[in-house]
Amino acid sequence: GQNIDQPTEMTATEGAIVQINCTYQTSGFNGLFWYQQHAGEAPTFLSYNVLDGLEEKGRFSSFLSRSKGYSYLLLKELQMKDSASYLCAPQTGANNLFFGTGTRLTVIP
Amino acid sequence: DTEVTQTPKHLVMGMTNKKSLKCEQHMGHRAMYWYKQKAKKPPELMFVYSYEKLSINESVPSRFSPECPNSSLLNLHLHALQPEDSALYLCASSQVLGGTGNTGELFFGEGSRLTVL
Repeated sequence: GQNIDQPTEMTATEGAIVQINCTYQTSGFNGLFWYQQHAGEAPTFLSYNVLDGLEEKGRFSSFLSRSKGYSYLLLKELQMKDSASYLCAPQTGANNLFFGTGTRLTVIP
Repeated sequence: DTEVTQTPKHLVMGMTNKKSLKCEQHMGHRAMYWYKQKAKKPPELMFVYSYEKLSINESVPSRFSPECPNSSLLNLHLHALQPEDSALYLCASSQVLGGTGNTGELFFGEGSRLTVL
C-alpha cells in the first residue's frame, strides 16, 4: 500500500521562501515527482528526484532522502501565480504514480 | 506535439445512460492512465495501460470500463453511474519506465468534467 503525507494548506507572503514537506511509505520506490496544479487545471510537472540530494530548477528546488522516505519542495521568491496545489507523487513501480493529499499554497501580498 | 486531448470537456449523464470519455496522444507514449479527481482532493489512480495492455486496476467498480484500442487512444466507458461518481476525469500518458533518461513523467490532458444526475 501507499501512505503519502503532506500538509493540507500553507500560506506565505509574496517574495518569501516556502518549503513543502512530503513523507511517504510505499511498496517499492523508483523516484519522486512534484506536480503543480492550479484550480480547474490539469497537473503540470515540476521536478523529479531519483537520487538523494537537491535538484534545483530556477525558483524551485526539490530534495529527496530515500532512506528517510522524505522529500521537500522549496519555492523561492514567491509570486502570486504560485498559489496552487502542490502534489507529491512517489513512483512505486513501472509506471505506478500515486499522488499525496496535496498542499494548497496561498501566496498573499 | 506535446498534447493530451480529452473529449468531451463536460458531460452530464443520468444514472441509466451509457457514455464514453476519450483520450488521445501523439507523443509516442506507450503508457496511458485514467485518474479521478474530486474537488479539493488529489487525483486518484484508476487504471494504467502499458503497451495497450491493462496493467493496473485500482479496485475500480465495474461500471467504469477502460479500453485501449491502440497506442494513441484511451477510452473510459461509463454505465449505470452514481451521483458520487461526479468528478473530473484526467487522462495522462508517459513513456514506459526503463529507457535511458526516461523518468516516466506524466503528461495530463485538461480533463473531462462529469456530472451524474
